[in-house]
Amino acid sequence: DIQLTQSPSSLSASVGDRVTITCQASQDISTFLNWYQQKPGKAPKFLIYDASNLETGVPSRFSGSGSGTDFTFTISSLQPEDIGTYFCQQYDGLPFTFGGGTKVEIK
Amino acid sequence: QVQLQESGPGLLKPSETLSLTCTVSGGSISGFYWSWIRQPPGKGLEWIGYVHYSGSTNYNPSLRSRVTISVDTSKKRLSLKLNSVTAADTALYYCARRVVDTDIGAFDIWGQGTKVAVSS
Repeated sequence: DIQLTQSPSSLSASVGDRVTITCQASQDISTFLNWYQQKPGKAPKFLIYDASNLETGVPSRFSGSGSGTDFTFTISSLQPEDIGTYFCQQYDGLPFTFGGGTKVEIK
Repeated sequence: QVQLQESGPGLLKPSETLSLTCTVSGGSISGFYWSWIRQPPGKGLEWIGYVHYSGSTNYNPSLRSRVTISVDTSKKRLSLKLNSVTAADTALYYCARRVVDTDIGAFDIWGQGTKVAVSS
């Protein structure tokens, strides 16, 4: 299985801050990586596909980049409604696997 | 818009069989792959497997010996069966739709999830 390692596991930032999360794959997965947001008590929400493409309706303050084994997810200006846990997920090979998640809180 | 609703017993004893159903409303079940994904308390997400509307399946090797996923297109329902459960199967179970573009292995629609606890 392809392992995805996210860091940090949690972070606390102020409203308006730039927030960056990394996701490292255990092998080259090209750009076959997605990002999700999970708010407390809710199902995950699909944000970004193919490493850098924003799903329709997702605010432009969210972005993704990377290829191969190293990926980055960025919130350009953190908003109160962005609190939650963010997961990366690879689809280069089955089984689909997810990163361990990064919990984002407001300072 | 498409909505998914999971249902099933919330409490099982060790060695029993977990049976869950996911009902699709507001859209077609045809043309898509449908997955089950679970999340143990306080932990990350684990993909269990998928079923195509045609009935073809693929399972996570870690669960393959115990899991069956099926689809009933006439009732717009998919189901999950997991045999011989243990406490390690305690989790929130989601059904999710894979995006229509099969070049993209992403899940764009999720149910609210159903909690399953395994305890003697």
